[in-house]
Amino acid sequence: AQSVTQLDSHVSVSEGTPVLLRCNYSSSYSPSLFWYVQHPNKGLQLLLKYTSAATLVKGINGFEAEFKKSETSFHLTKPSAHMSDAAEYFCVVRLVAGNNRKLIWGLGTSLAVNP
Amino acid sequence: DAMVIQNPRYQVTQFGKPVTLSCSQTLNHNVMYWYQQKSSQAPKLLFHYYDKDFNNEADTPDNFQSRRPNTSFCFLDIRSPGLGDAAMYLCATSRDGGNQYFGPGTRLLVL
Repeated sequence: AQSVTQLDSHVSVSEGTPVLLRCNYSSSYSPSLFWYVQHPNKGLQLLLKYTSAATLVKGINGFEAEFKKSETSFHLTKPSAHMSDAAEYFCVVRLVAGNNRKLIWGLGTSLAVNP
Repeated sequence: DAMVIQNPRYQVTQFGKPVTLSCSQTLNHNVMYWYQQKSSQAPKLLFHYYDKDFNNEADTPDNFQSRRPNTSFCFLDIRSPGLGDAAMYLCATSRDGGNQYFGPGTRLLVL
């Protein structure tokens, strides 16, 4: 069975400091993994995705994530947080079963950025 | 710009009064999804259309129905909204189950 666990429900950082949002996954085969961001009262935006190519994936807004198979992790990082990064972040794994492709969502991590 | 559009952005309905939420897309994607997202929770898939094939999630209440009259449009019908159905409803599209593109959502309030 495939699942995803976001290890922190809430992360708070100061502006200009690094961001680390942790995600572990469980998959019986090579997964497709995603990070989505949701700003307050807005829809979901794809930040980045891993689909068995390069293990270090660069996304939008300076975010990147590294796929580590040995640790079954896909942590999201950013070197320097900006106030506009404050949002909810979801780690997602894609389930593929025949023609059925659906997303398995983590519970989300709320990122607060303090001035 | 190609996009996923949801109307209205905010919808207020009365307890038990049927309501329809609308989603349209200009991406020409063949898969369309409806999610329910309650406050501080992850989105929950209600159902999706793969082309014309309707796929209902096992735990989606019968109160929720969907229609897809053509490739571009998909509707979410809630036959008898209860207070527990107040949520953000998100529409998404994809090409053959690939990357999903989300609309801005419709926030439903049930009085």
